[in-house]
Amino acid sequence: SFALTQPPSVSVSPGQTARITCSGDVLSNQYSYWYQQRPGQAPVVVIYKDNERPSGIPERFSGSTSGTTVTLTISGVQAEDEADYYCQSADGRGTWVFGGGTTLTVL
Amino acid sequence: QVQLVESGGGVVQPGRSLRLSCAASGFSLSLFAMHWVRQAPGKGLEWVAALSYDGRNDYYADSVKGRFTISRDSSKNSLYLQMNSLRVEDTAVYYCAKMAEPMGYNWFDPWGQGTLVTVSS
Repeated sequence: SFALTQPPSVSVSPGQTARITCSGDVLSNQYSYWYQQRPGQAPVVVIYKDNERPSGIPERFSGSTSGTTVTLTISGVQAEDEADYYCQSADGRGTWVFGGGTTLTVL
Repeated sequence: QVQLVESGGGVVQPGRSLRLSCAASGFSLSLFAMHWVRQAPGKGLEWVAALSYDGRNDYYADSVKGRFTISRDSSKNSLYLQMNSLRVEDTAVYYCAKMAEPMGYNWFDPWGQGTLVTVSS
């Protein structure tokens, strides 16, 4: 199997930019996906295929990739963005993996 | 609209079995790969099992291989997870999740609300 590594926590003030990274060898040739999970709720996709944003997700959410690291960027962070964020990928051979998750705190 | 509703969770003793169900509506299971993903209390997400859109292929995390079986009943448009030889470390909220695009493997969207499984003596 493979692993995806995220920082446990990120803190930003409202209006600032939050960047959450996710690293793993598989990311050099497989898509990444990002999910937001608020307390007591099921995860919701916020970025798919590295940098695509689903309908209904605010424009301040964006994704980027560079080699084996992908980044979720939230520009102009709002209080409602406080949540856990998980990156996810797959190896194309029947294994799906999530990163350990990053708790975003809005100060 | 697309909806997934899990059921079947509860408290079970180590070594016993439990079957989870996921009732799907708003789409046909025959067109989409489906997954089970779990989350232990206070922990992160862990992929558990997948079933291909045609029901021919199933995949499992190493942690559950040989103990869990994913299946579906197309006539009921429902997905299942048979969990045998349960361990304390299987305690988690279990989510069923649909692949966003038909027939292939892509991203999880949407997710059900989850059902809690507690393995304890």
